[in-house]
Amino acid sequence: DSGVTQTPKHLITATGQRVSLRCSPRSGDLSVYWYQQSLDQGLQFLIQYYNGEERAKGNILERFSAQQFPDLHSELNLSSLELGDSALYFCASSVGTMNYEQYFGPGTRLTVT
Amino acid sequence: AQTVTQSQPEMSVQEAETVTLSCTYDTSENNYYLFWYKQPPSRQMILVIRQEAYKQQNATENRFSVNFQKAAKSFSLKISDSQLGDTAMYFCAFSARSGGGADGLTFGKGTHLIIQP
Repeated sequence: DSGVTQTPKHLITATGQRVSLRCSPRSGDLSVYWYQQSLDQGLQFLIQYYNGEERAKGNILERFSAQQFPDLHSELNLSSLELGDSALYFCASSVGTMNYEQYFGPGTRLTVT
Repeated sequence: AQTVTQSQPEMSVQEAETVTLSCTYDTSENNYYLFWYKQPPSRQMILVIRQEAYKQQNATENRFSVNFQKAAKSFSLKISDSQLGDTAMYFCAFSARSGGGADGLTFGKGTHLIIQP
């Protein structure tokens, strides 16, 4: 158990819908990262937040957005969903200063039908 | 932009053997970290080992060790005395280092390692 929690574990929704994925980092970690794992694209970095502020962006679509709240939990919002958005979405956390190891949550499996 | 290449899509070895997984990367950064992550059938991503680019000494964690060749941009993982529980996808990952700590990870496509009984 990495100490990073993600909810829900599984999510099935229809095309065009909007969903929100939640992540709670390990206690004391200030950085949260979001990744997408799909058969086509492999593991891709989407976005990073550090202590409430956006820190870095990867291959994140405009239909996707994220935020980190004062209690440091984060949410990834996916809108206008397409079949190709079906994937495993991971959240990871790190202390974010000199400690650079990222610890991953169990992931949310999103299926778009 | 950085790229990470894992040239072995799948490997299979007998239990107790030693196996080496290859990884090469390309970057213009001088300050960075390298990692190996394991993803078993449960899909959980587990950090296996890390290496700081400024350290010349190769990292070791129990049966896992790396061979880091900075000039060649090579970062291989050696698993000694392999066990059935080592069966998993193994991902090599790169992260540049900046003022706020590590950036997002760039992953290779992975090597599926199968340990045969």
